[in-house]
Amino acid sequence: SSELTQDPAVSVALGQTVRITCQGDSLRSYYASWYQQKPGQAPVLVIYGKNTRPSGIPDRFSGSSSGNTASLTITGAQAEDEADYYCNSRDSRGNLHWVFGGGTKLTVL
Amino acid sequence: EVQLVETGGGLIQSGGSLRLSCAASGFTVSSNYMSWVRQVPGKGLEWVSVIYRGGSTYHADSVKGRFTISRDDSKNTVYLQMNSLRAEDTAVYYCATLYSGNKADAFDMWGQGTMVTVSS
Repeated sequence: SSELTQDPAVSVALGQTVRITCQGDSLRSYYASWYQQKPGQAPVLVIYGKNTRPSGIPDRFSGSSSGNTASLTITGAQAEDEADYYCNSRDSRGNLHWVFGGGTKLTVL
Repeated sequence: EVQLVETGGGLIQSGGSLRLSCAASGFTVSSNYMSWVRQVPGKGLEWVSVIYRGGSTYHADSVKGRFTISRDDSKNTVYLQMNSLRAEDTAVYYCATLYSGNKADAFDMWGQGTMVTVSS
């Protein structure tokens, strides 16, 4: 079982806003990072730190955190955003170990 | 071009050994934290191992004592030596760079992955 908990599936209408959440004790001490993975492809980092987007990631992706919950928000979801999304952070013991959430399948309707 | 290319995957019998390689181009592995992450087909991601710039290594409990991460600076390559393989080690293995900041870590660059299948 993962130390980071995500909803298995979320859907959003084209052009609308969707929030994907990730819960875990380690998120009280460490920021989450978020990854987008499309079928047959490697994961891609989309958000890390307080709310930092790597170069090339559209600004419709944003991140936030409160208590033990981190969120990835897509404002104005596009068809190409349909993918699996994973959160990641250090494990709850703060060791030099990392854990991923179970992933959220985002469907854009 | 900055990239990571994994090789070495394949079909192996349970109890066997395999060594994965991750060749980097466009940057120096010894100046970065390098990691392995695996994914059972159709399932989620699992962190496996990391090697720090100074050479310190850490492994997930699920592979500790069986897997070893290392690097060859002269070849700009990171390795994952996998011994005593089990059916549950069957997965796509990704090599990734690990950024570590102030309370913020991120696997910021990934290779395309290499498939390891362990037959029982």
